[in-house]
Amino acid sequence: ETGVTQTPRHLVMGMTNKKSLKCEQHLGHNAMYWYKQSAKKPLELMFVYNFKEQTENNSVPSRFSPECPNSSHLFLHLHTLQPEDSALYLCASSQEVFNYGYTFGSGTRLTVV
Amino acid sequence: QKEVEQNSGPLSVPEGAIASLNCTYSDRGSQSFFWYRQYSGKSPELIMSIYSNGDKEDGRFTAQLNKASQYVSLLIRDSQPSDSATYLCAVNMFNQAGTALIFGKGTTLSVSS
Repeated sequence: ETGVTQTPRHLVMGMTNKKSLKCEQHLGHNAMYWYKQSAKKPLELMFVYNFKEQTENNSVPSRFSPECPNSSHLFLHLHTLQPEDSALYLCASSQEVFNYGYTFGSGTRLTVV
Repeated sequence: QKEVEQNSGPLSVPEGAIASLNCTYSDRGSQSFFWYRQYSGKSPELIMSIYSNGDKEDGRFTAQLNKASQYVSLLIRDSQPSDSATYLCAVNMFNQAGTALIFGKGTTLSVSS
């Protein structure tokens, strides 16, 4: 496996469900990110992990909970989501948080019903 | 609020023409700038990075940066139908989620044969 791998590719969940999105990078990068992409809106940065340390982001609802157990893996835990949370969730990684481009995974298309 | 602005388009050019894509950003302290291409249903793909004022060329692509005007552009020479995609401008900024790339909404380019 090379690059950034996200699973699952598609996810349909009810508003009372709990699910997790997984991201794995095989690039030896030190920083990982979660972005949300909705129609007609720019990519929204949700969480940043630099050397496994997260920068708090109080603008993201608590129903989204990130986890970074090591520098290669990143999770996004989901619970009690709303229909407006339906979107493409993209994971990315980079060598460092400064001055490096990101490599994106293929994304998880999430539908909340 | 840290922002990256792009005209959403669509920008339509005939095959073989030069496509010009523009981007402005709000954070005067930003030091690294990127252009991504995103095909419909796919994740963003890095095509250019630029860090210093002036031009940077890579094949048919030229990125231009003017930090005093807080302006970045991408020129695509000899445009091909396969260049039809959404082009995202991204700027490295410090924001409430940490230091990361902030993206514009993207400009949709259509190249007609």
